[in-house]
Amino acid sequence: DAGVTQSPTHLIKTRGQQVTLRCSPKSGHDTVSWYQQALGQGPQFIFQYYEEEERQRGNFPDRFSGHQFPNYSSELNVNALLLGDSALYLCASSLAGAEQYFGPGTRLTVT
Amino acid sequence: QKEVEQNSGPLSVPEGAIASLNCTYSDRVSQSFFWYRQYSGKSPELIMSIYSNGDKEDGRFTAQLNKASQYVSLLIRDSQPSDSATYLCAGPLNSSASKIIFGSGTRLSIRP
Repeated sequence: DAGVTQSPTHLIKTRGQQVTLRCSPKSGHDTVSWYQQALGQGPQFIFQYYEEEERQRGNFPDRFSGHQFPNYSSELNVNALLLGDSALYLCASSLAGAEQYFGPGTRLTVT
Repeated sequence: QKEVEQNSGPLSVPEGAIASLNCTYSDRVSQSFFWYRQYSGKSPELIMSIYSNGDKEDGRFTAQLNKASQYVSLLIRDSQPSDSATYLCAGPLNSSASKIIFGSGTRLSIRP
């Protein structure tokens, strides 16, 4: 049973650039949530997707956007990257928003 | 008050002893909680969920939820060096069960 997968593992971008991160949920899960985790902090909720729609959003600017596809996989897009966007980006999947299981994360470095 | 608060630690416990990790929450958080373990450089791993008042045991782990006092705890019995990690407490907001709020985590170190 495949767990949550994310790609890429690591990414280095320059300020002002755009980035797309990808997530495939655990088999049987229909909900995908995205989190940003800075060093020494807990994950911060970015948004959640269910039935291809954004169901809930955290306190992140519009530069952060996402999408969910019919196969439940999801993308996180960040435009106009800032140095402060450097973090571990985590995708978590669940069934109907219950217990969430995390993928390995994407480490984004903005220089 | 933050929605979910944890002591950042580090909490140092001798091998074989009981490690006790605590988390308090505000009125804005719904009363179901999750405990995650996160090793350095890795992603969080779900280890316990608790939805009702009282204790829930799973192997060496016991989660305790006290709704009257608004705290949730995780006990680890017979602590092993492999239990050394950061433990994150999380719960959904009352206003939106989709939005899970995490504490900043407690670093646990098990000394041999």
